Amino acid sequence: GAVVSQHPSRVICKSGTSVKIECRSLDFQATTMFWYRQFPKKSLMLMATSNEGSKATYEQGVEKDKFLINHASLTLSTLTVTSAHPEDSSFYICSARDGDGGTDTQYFGPGTRLTVL
Amino acid sequence: DAKTTQPNSMESNEEEPVHLPCNHSTISGTDYIHWYRQLPSQGPEYVIHGLTSNVNNRMASLAIAEDRKSSTLILHRATLRDAAVYYCILRDFNFGNEKLTFGTGTRLTIIP
Repeated sequence: GAVVSQHPSRVICKSGTSVKIECRSLDFQATTMFWYRQFPKKSLMLMATSNEGSKATYEQGVEKDKFLINHASLTLSTLTVTSAHPEDSSFYICSARDGDGGTDTQYFGPGTRLTVL
Repeated sequence: DAKTTQPNSMESNEEEPVHLPCNHSTISGTDYIHWYRQLPSQGPEYVIHGLTSNVNNRMASLAIAEDRKSSTLILHRATLRDAAVYYCILRDFNFGNEKLTFGTGTRLTIIP
């Protein structure tokens, strides 16, 4: 199956700093990537849809100025958590869509655990 | 995306088949049924998907009711590595509806 990687797998930062998370599709091109957030014992919540070469579409309640998304190529999307605070500590997961239609499959990265002190 | 209902948790003995149910009574004609699973501290993993006919792959089988209002994910011989949260998700195959909406899923525990 298709492989999606994320880097870093784990990051600890001080409050007020910014953190960048990379999501790469390793063996396919992805015009669309998705960013999710998951709090402990909870389900995944979609944050935004990232389309290559255009602005991301954010879900309701997600601050676009705080969670900056860039999808500059067909294999790379980045999520930057700006001015991170302890409440931003979470498990961030990306996925990439392999295909152009509704029958395609989303493949998920292994996740990045962010801890803000 | 239409809503699905799954049991919160299930247990099964190792090396026995597991049947994970999912109800989706409001499914529309253009909704595909997708199953993903999430192992602890990992991203979700695609398992299988189908529209109307039963589907088989190397991981599992998907049995879809004739009226499509329910489906069952079948793990033929559970191993300890199958312990995970299993998500049943409906996804409209019309182009432009790419989002996956995750519910609470079923936490599957495998008993050695």
